[in-house]
Amino acid sequence: KQEVTQIPAALSVPEGENLVLNCSFTDSAIYNLQWFRQDPGKGLTSLLLIQSSQREQTSGRLNASLDKSSGRSTLYIAASQPGDSATYLCAVRNRDDKIIFGKGTRLHILP
Amino acid sequence: NAGVTQTPKFRILKIGQSMTLQCAQDMNHNYMYWYRQDPGMGLKLIYYSVGAGITDKGEVPNGYNVSRSTTEDFPLRLELAAPSQTSVYFCASSLRSGTGGRSSSGRGTDTQYFGPGTRLTVL
Repeated sequence: KQEVTQIPAALSVPEGENLVLNCSFTDSAIYNLQWFRQDPGKGLTSLLLIQSSQREQTSGRLNASLDKSSGRSTLYIAASQPGDSATYLCAVRNRDDKIIFGKGTRLHILP
Repeated sequence: NAGVTQTPKFRILKIGQSMTLQCAQDMNHNYMYWYRQDPGMGLKLIYYSVGAGITDKGEVPNGYNVSRSTTEDFPLRLELAAPSQTSVYFCASSLRSGTGGRSSSGRGTDTQYFGPGTRLTVL
């Protein structure tokens, strides 16, 4: 059974720092992996989607990597800003078409 | 485009009551999903649909039913509400390619677009 883990559960960093969020999954037979952002009381916003055949995707200050063989993905945020404060979730789509989410990392950028 | 819309935004039910959560999308997406999110937890897939007339169970389908009579709409039905169904419910949609319409990666983009959620309390 696929399990998705995000460590740490919460993270506080000073503004301007670069940071890395981690996502690991137990079954490497996936179609894709997606990173989302969720603000308090809101729905989810997709940040990046990496297909199983890809190694990384970039959008602005965000870079997501995928190492399928080791069951890991990282989300790199460059030059963090207070507006980046949110919960970040990763989700994998299995080969059986089911989608499994991690519990998320709550990120707080200190001004 | 309105994207993914959900109604109602909030609802309080008594144990044993039933209700339908509405979800609609105007992006002509083939896939639609229902998730629930409990405090401090990630999202769990309840049901999903790969197209009109086709639905399948997710991780936590018990106590729920769905139907997909049109591409646009994907309602979620709670028949006998229980306190364990107190949660925030999110609907989402995505465009996934099957045998045609492949992108350069060989698949549709599959980016999920989420609605704003329905906060349900069962007392």
